[in-house]
Amino acid sequence: DAGVIQSPRHEVTEMGQEVTLRCKPISGHNSLFWYRQTMMRGLELLIYFNNNVPIDDSGMPEDRFSAKMPNASFSTLKIQPSEPRDSAVYFCASRQGANEKLFFGSGTQLSVL
Amino acid sequence: GNSVTQMEGPVTLSEEAFLTINCTYTATGYPSLFWYVQYPGEGLQLLLKATKADDKGSNKGFEATYRKETTSFHLEKGSVQVSDSAVYFCALRHTSGTYKYIFGTGTRLKVLA
Repeated sequence: DAGVIQSPRHEVTEMGQEVTLRCKPISGHNSLFWYRQTMMRGLELLIYFNNNVPIDDSGMPEDRFSAKMPNASFSTLKIQPSEPRDSAVYFCASRQGANEKLFFGSGTQLSVL
Repeated sequence: GNSVTQMEGPVTLSEEAFLTINCTYTATGYPSLFWYVQYPGEGLQLLLKATKADDKGSNKGFEATYRKETTSFHLEKGSVQVSDSAVYFCALRHTSGTYKYIFGTGTRLKVLA
């Protein structure tokens, strides 16, 4: 199994630009999580999908952030417009059923200049 | 609410030294407890877990015991190696069915040859 696949690995963009991060969960996993990691706040849950349906987006910082999961094998996290304070590492993770083990992707390092 | 507190890093040790990384938690009921490890440039990986009081999780020479009386889940290893250099995250998941994992801020470990 290839694991959770995220793209791009690195993204550098200018303030005001739209950024789209992509995630392919492990096949057969029905839960998907987007996390943001920063030095100041550690690992924060942004949004959680179960069976492609957003269950909890209370961690999404503001309306500039949106996430979709059009099917079981693909999810996107979009920031529009991006700001320097959005600079962080964004992780996608998936899980199968009620299994407690989360599988993380390698993350996207986002830098907004 | 639920929370996890870890000792601040970085922790710097010589090879073959004894390792302890402290973790305490606040939660109602009986959460499951986890240690995740993040190697440079990678996503988090589950290292070990414990699901009830007095359980000991172990993997790759690392151990942690679920201590309900002290609400702690300290990570230990008797003899660290350079390859153990990474960031270690303590986490909890409440067993009431919630999907939410609460992560600590992480502790960076550096092992010197």
